[in-house]
Amino acid sequence: KQEVTQIPAALSVPEGENLVLNCSFTDSAIYNLQWFRQDPGKGLTSLLLIQSSQREQTSGRLNASLDKSSGRSTLYIAASQPGDSATYLCAGGKAAGNKLTFGGGTRVLVKP
Amino acid sequence: GAVVSQHPSRVICKSGTSVKIECRSLDFQATTMFWYRQFPKQSLMLMATSNEGSKATYEQGVEKDKFLINHASLTLSTLTVTSAHPEDSSFYICSAGKAAGGLSYEQYFGPGTRLTVT
Repeated sequence: KQEVTQIPAALSVPEGENLVLNCSFTDSAIYNLQWFRQDPGKGLTSLLLIQSSQREQTSGRLNASLDKSSGRSTLYIAASQPGDSATYLCAGGKAAGNKLTFGGGTRVLVKP
Repeated sequence: GAVVSQHPSRVICKSGTSVKIECRSLDFQATTMFWYRQFPKQSLMLMATSNEGSKATYEQGVEKDKFLINHASLTLSTLTVTSAHPEDSSFYICSAGKAAGGLSYEQYFGPGTRLTVT
């Protein structure tokens, strides 16, 4: 059974600092790995999707890496802004059309 | 695009009544949709996988008679919370799966429905 862990559970940084969010998973037979953002009381916004054959994906200030052998994915957010404050969730999917297993999330606060 | 909507966004109901939540994929067809539940400051917990034209697959510990799921078309899945109780109060989120060619597959999430049972 896949288990996904995110550490730390909460993170507070000053504006401008780079953010590093960690996600680890127990089953390396992963189909894809998705990173989401969730604002309080809202649904999920997909940030990046990494297929199992890929090692990283980039979008603007965001970069996500995937290392299946070590069971880790990392989300980097460069030059953080107060608007980046949110909860960030990672989730692993075992196969196409299969369910996602979510980590517990990391609550991020970027202080002006 | 890949947009998923949910209706209603918020609902308050009395204990003992039933509530239906709709999940729609607006610009793509989804043979599979997923229903999640989220408690305050916690992550998403998968409740069930909804397959178009067949019975839903429920996760362990989720009562299928209490949480009725119907996936009648490729763009619509519904979750009905029957005989709701205050402990059913939660944030319910659906997602719809979209194949993007080749081996690419991604889930798109709805905005969620806040259910409060009084």
